[in-house]
Amino acid sequence: GAVVSQHPSWVICKSGTSVKIECRSLDFQATTMFWYRQFPKQSLMLMATSNEGSKATYEQGVEKDKFLINHASLTLSTLTVTSAHPEDSSFYICSATIAGGQSTDTQYFGPGTRLTVL
Amino acid sequence: AQKITQTQPGMFVQEKEAVTLDCTYDTSDQSYGLFWYKQPSSGEMIFLIYQGSYDEQNATEGRYSLNFQKARKSANLVISASQLGDSAMYFCAMRGGYNQGGKLIFGQGTELSVKP
Repeated sequence: GAVVSQHPSWVICKSGTSVKIECRSLDFQATTMFWYRQFPKQSLMLMATSNEGSKATYEQGVEKDKFLINHASLTLSTLTVTSAHPEDSSFYICSATIAGGQSTDTQYFGPGTRLTVL
Repeated sequence: AQKITQTQPGMFVQEKEAVTLDCTYDTSDQSYGLFWYKQPSSGEMIFLIYQGSYDEQNATEGRYSLNFQKARKSANLVISASQLGDSAMYFCAMRGGYNQGGKLIFGQGTELSVKP
């Protein structure tokens, strides 16, 4: 149980294009999903918290107009990198919790999406 | 502010031996959770073990155990009988109470290499 999928697993795009990454909870409903970014040999950096039916909460320093997050249903959240540039190349990983707001809630992670912008 | 510190960038262990990965944390919350995740080279984050701040006993999950010392604010991961497949990055993370929105804060990670 508690399986999270991401699509695509990797993507290569040209500078200036937009890329959409999907995060799905396959066997549970996720009221809250999280989007992280990870550079090689570094830790995960939280980009935003996504709650179903409401606007995402972005971490300080994350451009909300560049990284558009939509949590349209209890099983799907999407991250769109708009007008991607080479510096946006990174590993993007999402996670989901089964029930929100308690210390015991475990975040289950998707397999990640590796984005390369040429 | 909450903070997680992992001071061991890299660790080596001989196969079948035990290894301890260090993690210290700082928080003003009374209720919080501590997690350990494993990240192999494929990139997926695999949940290993959880310890709640009010749990009096150390958490154990198979070969993984968490040495929780609340007064010292440490939550070290112990892996017994290391296997070659344990070679990976290991991240310690902390989740605060309800007012933190469920966010996880991660440490810098420790790269574990298991030698045959």
